[in-house]
Amino acid sequence: EVQLVESGEGLVQPGSSMKLSCVASGFTFSNYGMNWIRQAPKKGLEWIALIYYDSSSKYYADSVKGRFTISRDNSKNTLYLEMNSLRSEDTAMYYCAKFSYGYPHFDYWGQGVMVTVSS
Amino acid sequence: DIQMTQSPSVLSASVGDRVTLSCKASQNINKNLDWYQQKLGEAPKLLIYFTNNLQTGIPSRFSGSGSGTDYTLTISSLQPEDVATYYCYQYNSGLTFGSGTKLEIK
Repeated sequence: EVQLVESGEGLVQPGSSMKLSCVASGFTFSNYGMNWIRQAPKKGLEWIALIYYDSSSKYYADSVKGRFTISRDNSKNTLYLEMNSLRSEDTAMYYCAKFSYGYPHFDYWGQGVMVTVSS
Repeated sequence: DIQMTQSPSVLSASVGDRVTLSCKASQNINKNLDWYQQKLGEAPKLLIYFTNNLQTGIPSRFSGSGSGTDYTLTISSLQPEDVATYYCYQYNSGLTFGSGTKLEIK
């Protein structure tokens, strides 16, 4: 059974940093592209970052480019999101999501972790 | 950037109704479109990929169609468990979600 379990939830002040993790199981993690997608309270879904299966390419939404960094450790089956210079508008539920094999469909999602940026 | 516009934003229908949700892209997305269902308090779930392909385990009352800039998700007979927000998502150029349609039971 595919499982994606995020961690790192919390409340932080504007301008600070935070790191999220997503531990994968039930599939060969090193074969799949992985993503972070967020959802502000009572708002829609926003894709924010993608990393290829071998970390050869990384892509970001304009809203987080230069502040957030996606990475992965295939030996630990773990996806990361390093978030710097956090703003109130980064307050959201953050989901990790797996691409299907070879195609950009989000076929499995984690349960999400809440990040709150507030003074 | 491609913009995805979903309509209506809220849809109220009765159990057993045929329901149609619309998604319009700001430019041709060549059928590179999926539909996701998000129930309250849950992560989204993939329903339909490449416009009209039903994801494994999804009931056959769900179907998708469309081409060019206009796409549709249809539920042939609405069930109580279909109450959710539905998002379209394009991957023809960049990765963009629509704003969602909230489906309620009348």
